[in-house]
Amino acid sequence: GNSVTQMEGPVTLSEEAFLTINCTYTATGYPSLFWYVQYPGEGLQLLLKATKADDKGSNKGFEATYRKETTSFHLEKGSVQVSDSAVYFCALRPSGGYQKVTFGTGTKLQVIP
Amino acid sequence: NAGVMQNPRHLVRRRGQEARLRCSPMKGHSHVYWYRQLPEEGLKFMVYLQKENIIDESGMPKERFSAEFPKEGPSILRIQQVVRGDSAAYFCASSPEGTGSQPQHFGDGTRLSIL
Repeated sequence: GNSVTQMEGPVTLSEEAFLTINCTYTATGYPSLFWYVQYPGEGLQLLLKATKADDKGSNKGFEATYRKETTSFHLEKGSVQVSDSAVYFCALRPSGGYQKVTFGTGTKLQVIP
Repeated sequence: NAGVMQNPRHLVRRRGQEARLRCSPMKGHSHVYWYRQLPEEGLKFMVYLQKENIIDESGMPKERFSAEFPKEGPSILRIQQVVRGDSAAYFCASSPEGTGSQPQHFGDGTRLSIL
């Protein structure tokens, strides 16, 4: 079956540090890949997506590149801010007909001033 | 340009009561998904519905839980005879279609507490 594996949190970083949150997946074919962010007390918001190999999704300074050869979609940001503190979810949606979205377990990021 | 609307935001029930959670999808979206999130855990898929049809209910418990998405009105997730273990955040998401690369858009959730 399909699965998404994220690095465990919490991840604690100082402001302006470099962020990497690892995400690897298992799926047949060419799934679409997503990163969602969840702030306390809120629902998930789409952060970025990539739909085919070597695509790079980017938004608000965050980036992730769809790596088919390593089945990875790592999230990166060059300089984090306190306001980036949230839980980040990696997700995939298989291609071809109806397929439900599979989410990772989430990685909590805490950025300290 | 309203997003996915869920209500109530917080719901408190006593054991044995019924809980009804509502979800209005984004305008133009006809596909609705329900998820459950336990504290400090990820999202667990429960059910996927289109108007008047349940497409995939593989994640929903066989007993006490039901979902509908009528032709008119919001989608409803109903939990009968609630137990303490039902305490969780329940999120609804919608998309314009059920396939392809379209992302799901989420509501802010209903936090259900069972006394």
